[in-house]
Amino acid sequence: NAGVTQTPKFQVLKTGQSMTLQCAQDMNHNSMYWYRQDPGMGLRLIYYSASEGTTDKGEVPNGYNVSRLNKREFSLRLESAAPSQTSVYFCASRGGNSYEQYFGPGTRLTVT
Amino acid sequence: RKEVEQDPGPFNVPEGATVAFNCTYSNSASQSFFWYRQDCRKEPKLLMSVYSSGNEDGRFTAQLNRASQYISLLIRDSKLSDSATYLCVVNKNTGNQFYFGTGTSLTVIP
Repeated sequence: NAGVTQTPKFQVLKTGQSMTLQCAQDMNHNSMYWYRQDPGMGLRLIYYSASEGTTDKGEVPNGYNVSRLNKREFSLRLESAAPSQTSVYFCASRGGNSYEQYFGPGTRLTVT
Repeated sequence: RKEVEQDPGPFNVPEGATVAFNCTYSNSASQSFFWYRQDCRKEPKLLMSVYSSGNEDGRFTAQLNRASQYISLLIRDSKLSDSATYLCVVNKNTGNQFYFGTGTSLTVIP
C-alpha cells in the first residue's frame, strides 16, 4: 500500500516550457487535490477533484490545468512555466466521510 | 485578510517544556479544524482533528473557541521528536476547500 505517489520528485524547467506532474493514490479515495507550498504562504489549493470526472478551481488556479484520468490518478499541467511557479507541489487525497488528507512526498519545481 | 493566521515562531523550547500554539481563522462559516505536522522537506501529516469540546491525544491537546475564532494546540512534556512545523487547517462548509496556515516552527532543545 504505497498511499499517494508523485512523480517527478525534482524538476528544473526553463520559462515557457511545459510539463505534467503526476499523482496516483491506491486508497480508493474519491477526492484528490493539488497544492503549492511557498515560503511564508503556507499550502494553497490549486485545483481539486471531488470525484472521477470532476475538477474544480481552488485558490490559485491560474497557469495550471488538471486532469482526473481515473479514480487513482490526478495530474497537474503547466502549459507555459513561469518563474512565479517555482514551488513545492503536493498532491493529496481524501476518502469517505473522513476529512483527513493524505499527502504525497511532493515535487520540487524550479523555473528559471 | 488571510483565511488562517499563525505565529510563524520559531519556538525554541527545552525538552520537557510545555508549549502552546494559537491559530485564528477569519470565516465564521468554517466547519472543521485540524492540526497537521510537517517535518523538514516532507509532506504534511494529520496530527489531530479539533473538536468543539476540545480533545486530547497523549501529550497533545487541541481546543476550539468558535466565539473568538481561534484554535490552539498544547504540547506537554516536549520531546526532541516533536521538532517540526505545525500547520493549522480549516475547512469551510463546501467540503473540499481547505485553508492552511503558514505553520509554526518548533524546535525542542536537549
